[in-house]
Amino acid sequence: DGGITQSPKYLFRKEGQNVTLSCEQNLNHDAMYWYRQDPGQGLRLIYYSQIVNDFQKGDIAEGYSVSREKKESFPLTVTSAQKNPTAFYLCASSIDRLANEQFFGPGTRLTVL
Amino acid sequence: QKEVEQDPGPLSVPEGAIVSLNCTYSNSAFQYFMWYRQYSRKGPELLMYTYSSGNKEDGRFTAQVDKSSKYISLFIRDSQPSDSATYLCAVGNFGNEKLTFGTGTRLTIIP
Repeated sequence: DGGITQSPKYLFRKEGQNVTLSCEQNLNHDAMYWYRQDPGQGLRLIYYSQIVNDFQKGDIAEGYSVSREKKESFPLTVTSAQKNPTAFYLCASSIDRLANEQFFGPGTRLTVL
Repeated sequence: QKEVEQDPGPLSVPEGAIVSLNCTYSNSAFQYFMWYRQYSRKGPELLMYTYSSGNKEDGRFTAQVDKSSKYISLFIRDSQPSDSATYLCAVGNFGNEKLTFGTGTRLTIIP
């Protein structure tokens, strides 16, 4: 089955800890995205990557970091510098940077204790 | 002013009713329009995608775009309890990989 997988589904973190959220896709898509979803707010773009070894900041990149070493994988690290990390994190991909349709993974719910 | 405005609801309708979900956007440069459906604690699922004014139909779903009014709608006919979800509109420009999302409308279909 082709698709986007995210792990873990639920993640708990103590304040001051960095955590890494996994996103893998087997759709052979070039572009990948990370969004954050909070109650009452639309999806907000954190980082995106159009090709391997390249990525750009989105609208709310502060306190986050990413890497894109492989086409299939786009992990997101939530660092201790992120002041309000509790949220639902969504990874998406599209065929390439010019493709408009983005397809989403199932999400990771991060809770900071 | 937000670039995309969407009534958060919640909206409750009886089974079988026609549902109308709406978004307005402020930037006339937006060229394509999408509707996503998101079940609780799941990722959004792309329902409809259109880039021209007018109607696009897919089964029980119709997406409508009025570029002159900067208004987009999603109609659901013969609504089912399985349609109960949050519906997100999204807009974008060709050649720009960024999408701008509405906040979502929470819909409940009452059996």
